[in-house]
Amino acid sequence: NAGVMQNPRHLVRRRGQEARLRCSPMKGHSHVYWYRQLPEEGLKFMVYLQKENIIDESGMPKERFSAEFPKEGPSILRIQQVVRGDSAAYFCASSLGLAGGADEQFFGPGTRLTVL
Amino acid sequence: GQQVMQIPQYQHVQEGEDFTTYCNSSTTLSNIQWYKQRPGGHPVFLIQLVKSGEVKKQKRLTFQFGEAKKNSSLHITATQTTDVGTYFCAVTMLKAAGNKLTFGGGTRVLVKP
Repeated sequence: NAGVMQNPRHLVRRRGQEARLRCSPMKGHSHVYWYRQLPEEGLKFMVYLQKENIIDESGMPKERFSAEFPKEGPSILRIQQVVRGDSAAYFCASSLGLAGGADEQFFGPGTRLTVL
Repeated sequence: GQQVMQIPQYQHVQEGEDFTTYCNSSTTLSNIQWYKQRPGGHPVFLIQLVKSGEVKKQKRLTFQFGEAKKNSSLHITATQTTDVGTYFCAVTMLKAAGNKLTFGGGTRVLVKP
């Protein structure tokens, strides 16, 4: 019974390169959430997706960041032209999408991005 | 904007002692969840509170939702070294889209043996 899977677990990029972070939700989950966490800080919401739809992207920077959750395959968080300030742990979570907000989120192990 | 504040930010506890961490919102909440993140790990769901004044217990952990549904507390009795980690509250605002959670900044718990 696999949980939420994220890969890669660690990613090193040079400034200006692209970073692609992948998230496979738990089986049966159709809702995916991406969060960013800086050391010693809390989880900052980035984007909430359902299959083929972006539900809420209010936490996504306007430029360089994009996310998708296609009909088939994992959810992808894409960061173009990375800068040092993008270095962080990026967590993906998934849920069943129960109505009324009564929805436990299951987190993946995270991708730790380091920008040199 | 809507904020979720957790206090204290850091909690140093002697093993065997009790402590409480608090979560406060500026707006009325639909529900509140608590998560624990061990050092180097990922957040793990602990519990969800939905009703005004609700109290739930998990072994040595007691969770409470305020009467006005704007705050919550987590009380841990007889702290053990396994309690080390960061405890986050996460809230669903009444007007939030779907199941979006807003996390507090967390309380980092260190246990002195």
